[in-house]
Amino acid sequence: GDSVTQMEGPVTLSEEAFLTINCTYTATGYPSLFWYVQYPGEGLQLLLKATKADDKGSNKGFEATYRKETTSFHLEKGSVQVSDSAVYFCALSDQDTPLVFGKGTRLSVIA
Amino acid sequence: GAGVSQSPRYKVTKRGQDVALRCDPISGHVSLYWYRQALGQGPEFLTYFNYEAQQDKSGLPNDRFSAERPEGSISTLTIQRTEQRDSAMYRCASSLRGPISSGANVLTFGAGSRLTVL
Repeated sequence: GDSVTQMEGPVTLSEEAFLTINCTYTATGYPSLFWYVQYPGEGLQLLLKATKADDKGSNKGFEATYRKETTSFHLEKGSVQVSDSAVYFCALSDQDTPLVFGKGTRLSVIA
Repeated sequence: GAGVSQSPRYKVTKRGQDVALRCDPISGHVSLYWYRQALGQGPEFLTYFNYEAQQDKSGLPNDRFSAERPEGSISTLTIQRTEQRDSAMYRCASSLRGPISSGANVLTFGAGSRLTVL
């Protein structure tokens, strides 16, 4: 079945460092891809999405490009802030099925 | 309402008791989803509704779990004869309409109900 694999955390970075969180997927069809973020004590929020190959989703300085050839959707940010500390989930939806999530990657940014 | 509301936020129960978790979706949202999230894991799909119709319940782990949405708005997830392995965060989400694979419809999640079974 469909699945999402993302890099294990926790990831600890200093403020203004470059962030990459890897995500690869397996799907039978042509899925839409998502990154969700969970801040402490809150529900999951959509961070960005991409619906077709080579699309780039972006929001709040985060970017991810849908790479069909490598089945990847890596999350990047050029300069992280303390406020970016959260758990990040990669997810896909294939052929109108409910979202399938990865296990999540915890990011801690220290000043 | 303005967001997806779940209650209770925290529930501690003894093994063997029944629990009911409630979800009040965003007004006008057609689709409602239930997920379960164990500690250190991603959310795992349980079931979803379009209006009052349960479209997919393939993720419900066994027949102790059931869900309903009788009027197409508020939904209740019921766990009968709870077991310690049922301890998890139960998350509800809603979207304006299915399907979501087009990316046009965004799931909005509630804060979750944390269930602890002693």
